[in-house]
Amino acid sequence: GNSVTQMEGPVTLSEEAFLTINCTYTATGYPSLFWYVQYPGEGLQLLLKATKADDKGSNKGFEATYRKETTSFHLEKGSVQVSDSAVYFCALTIVSSNTGKLIFGQGTTLQVKP
Amino acid sequence: KAGVTQTPRYLIKTRGQQVTLSCSPISGHRSVSWYQQTPGQGLQFLFEYFSETQRNKGNFPGRFSGRQFSNSRSEMNVSTLELGDSALYLCASSLPSLGEWSYEQYFGPGTRLTVT
Repeated sequence: GNSVTQMEGPVTLSEEAFLTINCTYTATGYPSLFWYVQYPGEGLQLLLKATKADDKGSNKGFEATYRKETTSFHLEKGSVQVSDSAVYFCALTIVSSNTGKLIFGQGTTLQVKP
Repeated sequence: KAGVTQTPRYLIKTRGQQVTLSCSPISGHRSVSWYQQTPGQGLQFLFEYFSETQRNKGNFPGRFSGRQFSNSRSEMNVSTLELGDSALYLCASSLPSLGEWSYEQYFGPGTRLTVT
């Protein structure tokens, strides 16, 4: 089946620290991969995406590279800010299935301290 | 362009009642998906509608149903509410197409349902 596994949180970092949130997936077809972010009391916001192997998605200083050989899509940021504190979700969808169904990881809470 | 809107934002219901939630997608988006978010189960797919047809359904009981109108607006209904239905219900819209924008989904703020 299709699934996404994220590193467990919470992740607590000091401001300006380097961030990595691990994400691995299993997929029966060819997935598109996404990172979503959820701030307290809000819905999900698309942070970045990658639709084919070796693609690098980037946005707001965050990056993730689609690694087919390791079935991974790890999220990184070089210098986190307090405002990055949120829950981060890795997700996939199988393009060939002709459906928009997203399969999410369990989410990783990031807390950044001043 | 206006984002995905969901109404109401908060709802309190009693066990056994039914509830209807509404979602208006981004203008031009024809696909609407619904997700349930709970602390224990995380984000789970409920169903997806495209051009007024249910295209996919998650593993939820028949008490959960939905529909989509000709203007792409969607509603979901939960009948005979149970305590376990308390959750944040999220709606997402997308413009299904192949290529760079494959199935990128945009989420609304959600409806927080509390069942007492």
